[in-house]
Amino acid sequence: DAGVTQSPTHLIKTRGQQVTLRCSPKSGHDTVSWYQQALGQGPQFIFQYYEEEERQRGNFPDRFSGHQFPNYSSELNVNALLLGDSALYLCASSRNTYNEQFFGPGTRLTVL
Amino acid sequence: GDSVTQMEGPVTLSEEAFLTINCTYTATGYPSLFWYVQYPGEGLQLLLKATKADDKGSNKGFEATYRKETTSFHLEKGSVQVSDSAVYFCALLDGGATNKLIFGTGTLLAVQP
Repeated sequence: DAGVTQSPTHLIKTRGQQVTLRCSPKSGHDTVSWYQQALGQGPQFIFQYYEEEERQRGNFPDRFSGHQFPNYSSELNVNALLLGDSALYLCASSRNTYNEQFFGPGTRLTVL
Repeated sequence: GDSVTQMEGPVTLSEEAFLTINCTYTATGYPSLFWYVQYPGEGLQLLLKATKADDKGSNKGFEATYRKETTSFHLEKGSVQVSDSAVYFCALLDGGATNKLIFGTGTLLAVQP
């Protein structure tokens, strides 16, 4: 049984560019949450998707947007990248919006 | 809003030493509490959890007890191993409509042989 998978593993972008990160949830899971983990910090909640809709959003600007597909996979898009967007982006999936979350290995984004 | 405070690291111990990593929380209501572990270059793994006051979560020799009176969830292990070296995060489950997790800043544990 595959766990949560994320792609790519690493990504390097320059300021002002746009990036798309991808997540496939664990089998049987229908809810995907995204977190940003800056170096030396704990993960910060970005948003959560359930039934292809954004259900809750953390304190992140509109440059951060997402999407969930009918197969429950999800994308995180970040526009107009800033140096401060450099972080590990973690995806977590769960069965419904109230069950235990399982985390993927993350995508390391570096903005130069 | 809800928040989690962890003791700052790094915590450096010799193998077989006793470990305590302090965690306190601020929350409205009665959140579920978690400890996650992050090994170098990896994502987060759930280590243990407790869902109500006085519950004790345990896994792989680690334990933590949900103390409502002190709003604490301290992580303990009686005898650490080099393989326990990692970053440990305390977290609470936001009691809203989603299972949003709120994390502490993490504590780096380094165990020396």
